Amino acid sequence: EPEVTQTPSHQVTQMGQEVILRCVPISNHLYFYWYRQILGQKVEFLVSFYNNEISEKSEIFDDQFSVERPDGSNFTLKIRSTKLEDSAMYFCASSPGGQIGSHTFGSGTRLTVV
Amino acid sequence: LAKTTQPISMDSYEGQEVNITCSHNNIATNDYITWYQQFPSQGPRFIIQGYKTKVTNEVASLFIPADRKSSTLSLPRVSLSDTAVYYCLVGDTTGGFKTIFGAGTRLFVKA
Repeated sequence: EPEVTQTPSHQVTQMGQEVILRCVPISNHLYFYWYRQILGQKVEFLVSFYNNEISEKSEIFDDQFSVERPDGSNFTLKIRSTKLEDSAMYFCASSPGGQIGSHTFGSGTRLTVV
Repeated sequence: LAKTTQPISMDSYEGQEVNITCSHNNIATNDYITWYQQFPSQGPRFIIQGYKTKVTNEVASLFIPADRKSSTLSLPRVSLSDTAVYYCLVGDTTGGFKTIFGAGTRLFVKA
């Protein structure tokens, strides 16, 4: 079964540092997403990406965040200057279309900001 | 996206059938009902989706009454590995790029 791959599985970074979280979506999917989940809380939408541009973003996705699809396979989330409150699980997802229920999620990257 | 209400948590024993009900009073005509499952430290996983009446797959059944203002996810003969958070989502399958998750229902299966 095709899967979404995320690396690294766990990253520890110092406050103020830049981090890049990487994802390899399912190859024939066209829509890409990032979500985050703070420990013990619900899954929160960050951003969706389609046709090489951002389709939609949440209030959480401020100027500190950016996404990129640098080549035909990778999809990255960059946090420019990390804050303690950025500590969370970050999930990448992809879907063949924009429909609810068609997302396939990766296993996540646990980001710890110290 | 329609607002959904689910129980915060449920307990069950191995081998029992578990029914999790979700209320969605303001569901729109074009909305579908979708359920996701999330294990600890993993991403959500699609379980089942339906529009009306009953849908069944190898994992679960989804019961939707005629007025569609609620739905029930049924897990037959649960095992310890079914301990997870279950999310009910309601929305249009043809529009919107994001999936909005509520708090979900934390199911704990005991031996």
